Amino acid sequence: EAQVTQNPRYLITVTGKKLTVTCSQNMNHEYMSWYRQDPGLGLRQIYYSMNVEVTDKGDVPEGYKVSRKEKRNFPLILESPSPNQTSLYFCASSPGLGWQDGYTFGSGTRLTVV
Amino acid sequence: LAKTTQPISMDSYEGQEVNITCSHNNIATNDYITWYQQFPSQGPRFIIQGYKTKVTNEVASLFIPADRKSSTLSLPRVSLSDTAVYYCLVGPILTGGGNKLTFGTGTQLKVEL
Repeated sequence: EAQVTQNPRYLITVTGKKLTVTCSQNMNHEYMSWYRQDPGLGLRQIYYSMNVEVTDKGDVPEGYKVSRKEKRNFPLILESPSPNQTSLYFCASSPGLGWQDGYTFGSGTRLTVV
Repeated sequence: LAKTTQPISMDSYEGQEVNITCSHNNIATNDYITWYQQFPSQGPRFIIQGYKTKVTNEVASLFIPADRKSSTLSLPRVSLSDTAVYYCLVGPILTGGGNKLTFGTGTQLKVEL
């Protein structure tokens, strides 16, 4: 089944403790992206990657890092999480940048930073 | 990307047709209009996309007037399971670079019995 898999689904952590949220897709998609969703703010893009070793900032990149060493994986790294990063996170992939109808989203990761 | 404006929320009843309008006054010539649906705690999923006039698929219809400054997503005979947030997106497709999928706050549709 074609899908985007995020792990974990739920995570509670403490301020300052580094964490990684994994994202993997099995569709050989070139483009991958991370979003965060907060009440009243909709989905905001954090980082995106157009291909292996090519990443760029989205609208809200502060406090986050990403890497794209392999085509299928696009982990989101929080080096020193803070409470304002408590949010619902989604990973998405598509065949290429610009495929507005081809985006597949993961099931989400609900992160709580205390 | 063209900025979009949608109603924050809408209410309907089962069996009724629901029309959600999106305004995009500064839409560009090469922009397409795309709608996504999102259920609670799930990622958005693609519903429909169009450039002009009318597009219909098994889920919805999309009406785009000649000036393309607005569009209307039409959901025929909604059911409780159509309760979700609906996002209107406007932007170029298949350009190979520079654009990204940008979501607004969407329209929360609530369907009741």
